[in-house]
Amino acid sequence: DQQVKQNSPSLSVQEGRISILNCDYTNSMFDYFLWYKKYPAEGPTFLISISSIKDKNEDGRFTVFLNKSAKHLSLHIVPSQPGDSAVYFCAASAGGTSYGKLTFGQGTILTVHP
Amino acid sequence: DTGVSQNPRHKITKRGQNVTFRCDPISEHNRLYWYRQTLGQGPEFLTYFQNEAQLEKSRLLSDRFSAERPKGSFSTLEIQRTEQGDSAMYLCASRKTGASSSGNTIYFGEGSWLTVV
Repeated sequence: DQQVKQNSPSLSVQEGRISILNCDYTNSMFDYFLWYKKYPAEGPTFLISISSIKDKNEDGRFTVFLNKSAKHLSLHIVPSQPGDSAVYFCAASAGGTSYGKLTFGQGTILTVHP
Repeated sequence: DTGVSQNPRHKITKRGQNVTFRCDPISEHNRLYWYRQTLGQGPEFLTYFQNEAQLEKSRLLSDRFSAERPKGSFSTLEIQRTEQGDSAMYLCASRKTGASSSGNTIYFGEGSWLTVV
């Protein structure tokens, strides 16, 4: 049972353009969502997060949008840079004592071409 | 470096041997988590600690897996009688509980690669 899904295994974008990575979830108990970036042979690096009480959170070039009714979130990167090329994981957590037990999607490989 | 530290970074072992991984969380982080990641998949939650107390271990993959955090600081993950299917990256993460939103951020270490031959 895949509770967090990233349906696009890969995404290719030109430098300077917008990258949009998508994530869907099924568990309505999830109330906190995070995006991580990962390079091969390294651990995930935190990018940005959003609580279910918000529908948007912005940090520099990164914006995360949450649509609770659709159980969908997306990460926008503007403008995209070659250094953004990596695997991006969406993760979700329920609140309370369960917080921190993250459920991850399968990841999307982002390639930004110069 | 004040991030989450894991060692060894790489371990190659023969099937049937025991292996132990160590994680040093960020200072003052009271929650510590262990995850496993296999190729092509996202990390999978295994277990976590609040200080020295192991609050959940039902997701540990089998009774060959065990974890400790004896003094509430560093933690170890041991795999006994390793099998080839145990080959994966083992990730440690930590956070500090609190009311601020920054307490919701979970920081990962660089992981420990295990190859069982």
